[in-house]
Amino acid sequence: GENVEQHPSTLSVQEGDSAVIKCTYSDSASNYFPWYKQELGKRPQLIIDIRSNVGEKKDQRIAVTLNKTAKHFSLHITETQPEDSAVYFCAASRGGSNYKLTFGKGTLLTVNP
Amino acid sequence: GAVVSQHPSRVICKSGTSVKIECRSLDFQATTMFWYRQFPKQSLMLMATSNEGSKATYEQGVEKDKFLINHASLTLSTLTVTSAHPEDSSFYICSASRGGQNEKLFFGSGTQLSVL
Repeated sequence: GENVEQHPSTLSVQEGDSAVIKCTYSDSASNYFPWYKQELGKRPQLIIDIRSNVGEKKDQRIAVTLNKTAKHFSLHITETQPEDSAVYFCAASRGGSNYKLTFGKGTLLTVNP
Repeated sequence: GAVVSQHPSRVICKSGTSVKIECRSLDFQATTMFWYRQFPKQSLMLMATSNEGSKATYEQGVEKDKFLINHASLTLSTLTVTSAHPEDSSFYICSASRGGQNEKLFFGSGTQLSVL
């Protein structure tokens, strides 16, 4: 089955700095890679996703890059704000609504004012 | 995005009792729903895939007789934790997608189960 590794497990940055979280996956058939943000006690919220036919996707301060050859993808947050503080999870699946998502272990991001 | 509703949000029960958790897709039909469990400061672990009108598919290590899943309609899936014990205490969360090739997954608000 799919195995998703995520690093770092914790990340502390100063407000305004950039934050980068990296993930690797094992299943070469995976082609859908979402990122979720989860605040304490809340549901995970989809913040951005990318499919394997695209190398990069950007949405305002958030971007995701994908290297399918190397089987790794990264989340980039620029101009971080205290409200970006949360746990971020990467995930991978083979795509389609019937395929399960396999999650990374999560990264606790703390943005210090 | 799609709206997924989950109830109850929190439940405290005595050891040996059963607890039912409901997951509803409010503005779309979901042929497939997923049930996850999340322990404190850990990732989401898939328990089972719930398919409307058929038996659920359980992940390795998840007891199907203990975690009963029923997906009786296109908008409702239930998870029943039978004979709950303290080690079953966890955050249970369901998710669903709109179906077809749309794999975007939306999560319910989760249920914090505490078994005394």
